[in-house]
Amino acid sequence: DTEVTQTPKHLVMGMTNKKSLKCEQHMGHRAMYWYKQKAKKPPELMFVYSYEKLSINESVPSRFSPECPNSSLLNLHLHALQPEDSALYLCASSQEELAGVNEQFFGPGTRLTVL
Amino acid sequence: GNSVTQMEGPVTLSEEAFLTINCTYTATGYPSLFWYVQYPGEGLQLLLKATKADDKGSNKGFEATYRKETTSFHLEKGSVQVSDSAVYFCALRRTNAGKSTFGDGTTLTVKP
Repeated sequence: DTEVTQTPKHLVMGMTNKKSLKCEQHMGHRAMYWYKQKAKKPPELMFVYSYEKLSINESVPSRFSPECPNSSLLNLHLHALQPEDSALYLCASSQEELAGVNEQFFGPGTRLTVL
Repeated sequence: GNSVTQMEGPVTLSEEAFLTINCTYTATGYPSLFWYVQYPGEGLQLLLKATKADDKGSNKGFEATYRKETTSFHLEKGSVQVSDSAVYFCALRRTNAGKSTFGDGTTLTVKP
């Protein structure tokens, strides 16, 4: 199984809603990532988890709250988002955070629209 | 800091044409280099990679050679197909760093 899965595929939410994005991998990878991608732009790193601990937070606003319940799962909790947060949210995993020779495996993404 | 510069797009080619997408990088040390492809409505998929100088990565007819002397990793394909239409991202990862640095992406459209 070399797949990263993400749910939901699409999400529409109001600015007062609370929602969560989910990501799962069963490749035994110990590093997991959240990226935000705007149209026609490269992915922007948001968070990195290594061995279930938060390793990197790229100064992301607190309305985004990551969680790594176990080595296979990664969540992104959303609260009080702004319309400019509308984007494709990509999850990725790799064998180890600090093994740069290894590629990242990306999920299909969640298309988020904030009204 | 690290950076990746890709040729600006969009690139439009006819089927069976030769493709080159230029990629140059700036990094300290010896990074690994990657090409990812993103089809419409999907996430990124690894296309190929090279982890040291003079390595050639290849996959699905695409090739790229890690050139340390010119700090380049240009993507080539001898004969493109309509199904190759996608956005292509060049990226690097330093040996002991978790972050990937991506280029801005190049949109390729192949017409029949």
